[in-house]
Amino acid sequence: QQPVQSPQAVILREGEDAVINCSSSKALYSVHWYRQKHGEAPVFLMILLKGGEQKGHDKISASFNEKKQQSSLYLTASQLSYSGTYFCGTDSGAGSYQLTFGKGTKLSVIP
Amino acid sequence: GEEVAQTPKHLVRGEGQKAKLYCAPIKGHSYVFWYQQVLKNEFKFLISFQNENVFDETGMPKERFSAKCLPNSPCSLEIQATKLEDSAVYFCASSQSGELFFGEGSRLTVL
Repeated sequence: QQPVQSPQAVILREGEDAVINCSSSKALYSVHWYRQKHGEAPVFLMILLKGGEQKGHDKISASFNEKKQQSSLYLTASQLSYSGTYFCGTDSGAGSYQLTFGKGTKLSVIP
Repeated sequence: GEEVAQTPKHLVRGEGQKAKLYCAPIKGHSYVFWYQQVLKNEFKFLISFQNENVFDETGMPKERFSAKCLPNSPCSLEIQATKLEDSAVYFCASSQSGELFFGEGSRLTVL
């Protein structure tokens, strides 16, 4: 099942913070976060693994609540370069790293 | 190579024609994935490989789609008898330890 992301879209002024949420109805092994700019490939931001290990980006943080099957991505002091569509991808642990992506959250950062 | 290379960048086909897309994964990555991204930005999983073996093909419309990852050759995704709804950007991604590295995508337009 496809994870559900919220909000669908958000507009921020430079320097403001944002939270993007991702929830799944299935038990998760890991949650990934990617950012895609228009016309470009998705770029890896963060992976959160069951058990608490986290690998990712210096200026962006995330949480993973395994019991609730939810993850949140925290963008602080947003920059213009943060604009893009953020996707969460969930891995239920079949061992293949195959991800099921949410529909995306479009983030626009304005001056 | 250090990046996933996809060719061609753009492909235009008439309905019913064949389309073939290529992907060279990052050297040393064991897993290859094909995703289809349609206009609403949603990613649809098509197929995954572990080395040259199909790992999961549950997303593939097998009557028209086929894919291969043979040793010492780029991976390929072939669509026989394209339909209008096949118009999309097809992304290939490779992975070794969980995070996906995406290629720039191949935009297929079916007229």
